[in-house]
Amino acid sequence: DTEVTQTPKHLVMGMTNKKSLKCEQHMGHRAMYWYKQKAKKPPELMFVYSYEKLSINESVPSRFSPECPNSSLLNLHLHALQPEDSALYLCASSPGTSVAWDTQYFGPGTRLTVL
Amino acid sequence: AQSVTQLDSHVSVSEGTPVLLRCNYSSSYSPSLFWYVQHPNKGLQLLLKYTSAATLVKGINGFEAEFKKSETSFHLTKPSAHMSDAAEYFCVVSEEGTYKYIFGTGTRLKVLA
Repeated sequence: DTEVTQTPKHLVMGMTNKKSLKCEQHMGHRAMYWYKQKAKKPPELMFVYSYEKLSINESVPSRFSPECPNSSLLNLHLHALQPEDSALYLCASSPGTSVAWDTQYFGPGTRLTVL
Repeated sequence: AQSVTQLDSHVSVSEGTPVLLRCNYSSSYSPSLFWYVQHPNKGLQLLLKYTSAATLVKGINGFEAEFKKSETSFHLTKPSAHMSDAAEYFCVVSEEGTYKYIFGTGTRLKVLA
């Protein structure tokens, strides 16, 4: 099973709201990722967690706050977003055992609209 | 530093004809290379990956890719296109020493009936 699940599928929020995106995998993977994808563009890496510790933050604004409560779960907390943050947010996971040969498996994404 | 170039932003083929999506990479070491497909408003699905075991890599749904070190290419092919192949395709190289992916800009494949 190579499934990564993401909830919700769609989210509409105002600029003053606080919301969270959730990602889950049960493949025993130890690396998890958040990406942001704008229309007609490749995904842009936001964060990487390795063994539940944040290992990469691609200079993402603080209105995005990641959390990895355990090895299967990854959250992205959203607060005071801007309309330009509207995008497809993708979660991915990988075994995390070999930097050279790791393969990422992606979830279906959450379509976020900020009004 | 690694990089990847997808040579065509759009490719159109007729159903039943061959598909060729071109990808060139730049890397100072022997990289891991991947092809992913993304259907509209969906996540990315792994088609195939090259990790130095064999230069001709077979993937899902009849796709395959050949790693050519001398040409620094990793082109994706399929003998016969199907309507369901219409999607965005991304060529990806892994960044040396990290878990980061470097994405190409994508190729949109259109399949004509």
